[in-house]
Amino acid sequence: DIVMTQSPDSLAVSLGERATINCKSSQSVLYSSNNKNYLAWYQQRLGQPPKLLIYWASTRESGVPDRFSGSGSGTDFTLTISSLQAEDVAVYYCQQYYSNPPITFGQGTRLEIK
Amino acid sequence: QVQLVESGGGVVQRGGSLRLSCEASGFTFSNYGLHWVRQAPGKGLEWVAFVGYDGNNRYYADSVKGRFTISRDNSKNTLYLQMNSLRGEDTAVYYCAKDLLGSTTWSPFDCWGQGTLVIVSS
Repeated sequence: DIVMTQSPDSLAVSLGERATINCKSSQSVLYSSNNKNYLAWYQQRLGQPPKLLIYWASTRESGVPDRFSGSGSGTDFTLTISSLQAEDVAVYYCQQYYSNPPITFGQGTRLEIK
Repeated sequence: QVQLVESGGGVVQRGGSLRLSCEASGFTFSNYGLHWVRQAPGKGLEWVAFVGYDGNNRYYADSVKGRFTISRDNSKNTLYLQMNSLRGEDTAVYYCAKDLLGSTTWSPFDCWGQGTLVIVSS
């Protein structure tokens, strides 16, 4: 199974500042035949289901604000929120869909306002 | 708009059975793979099972293999999860989720239901 490890486990950032969350996979999720990274990011606000933010490591889902961006390739990935807003308080998960089964998620990173 | 609505959760005794349903609307149901994902209280997300768009491919997490069965009825736009031999560690909110990409096994999930809570009691 591909193990996804996020860092840090929790993060406190001031409003308007940049937030960065890292995700590392135990093996590459880059599919060489199409040069796509099978890596997604989700946001889960308290009491809500997860919401897809980013897929193919850097493609923003429709309707997601452009302050959210994804980067990385192979085994190392980053979710960046360029200017933190109050509504961004949530737990963020990375997910690999390169291997199914099983699809695996990171343990989550809790983002709070400093 | 795309909508997934789970039902069937509740309290069940250890060793018992429960059947979850997920009714879908707002998209061509038979074109997309579907998943069950669970979240134990205060914990992270755990993928449980997948069924392909036509019902022919079914995959399970090792933790539920042999106890849970995923199925779908494309005529009713409904996804199911039959859960047998339930254990305390199966206590969780169960979400159904839809693949973003149609007719594939490798896709992120672009729509999630609100979830249904399953509590396994001793």
